[in-house]
Amino acid sequence: EVQLVQSGAEVKKPGATVKISCKVSGYTFTDYYMHWVQQAPGKGLEWMGLVDPEDGETIYAEKFQGRVTITADTSTDTAYMELSSLRSEDTAVYYCATGRRMIVANWFDPWGQGTLVTVSS
Amino acid sequence: QSVLTQPPSVSAAPGQKVTISCSGSSSNIGNNYVSWYQQLPGTAPKLLIYDNNKRPSGIPDRFSGSKSGTSATLGITGLQTGDEADYYCGTWDSSLSAAVFGGGTQLTVL
Repeated sequence: EVQLVQSGAEVKKPGATVKISCKVSGYTFTDYYMHWVQQAPGKGLEWMGLVDPEDGETIYAEKFQGRVTITADTSTDTAYMELSSLRSEDTAVYYCATGRRMIVANWFDPWGQGTLVTVSS
Repeated sequence: QSVLTQPPSVSAAPGQKVTISCSGSSSNIGNNYVSWYQQLPGTAPKLLIYDNNKRPSGIPDRFSGSKSGTSATLGITGLQTGDEADYYCGTWDSSLSAAVFGGGTQLTVL
């Protein structure tokens, strides 16, 4: 069974950094991209970026460029998303999701269960 | 403001059919494939349609997708109360070099 299991909820102070993990099982980690998607409370889905686990190459959304770092550890089949300089607007559920290598025909499947990050002083 | 435009909400009675539109541009829907996602309350999104009109295994044929020009449509027939969810379209935007989503459509089955 293909599964993405994310790390648990986090509470952070403004200005801090959060790092979330996404452990893959059931498929070859390097065969697909890994994406991260943000969903603020009551809001829609916002794509943050992706990593190619095969070579570590990344593409980031302009909105998060400079604050987000997405990495992949092929020794543990785990992807990570680190978001720095946290502010209250970063309070959201963050999802990892597997994506096809053909980017113009991209889809997200499956998704992790989501990790709630709360930013509060 | 989302790059792709969806109606905020749609509703229909059980057993009826509903369509959800997703409008974009030549840099996204017009030249790339569209996927659709269902998000039940409190859960992660789930892939419903990929490559404009294909269903992953396990997705009933009550769900269908189509694309014409710079717009895409999700159709759901034989509506059930269990279909009440938020639905999102998504694609790649070649100008932004980014994946983009619609703002989401809340489906109510009256």
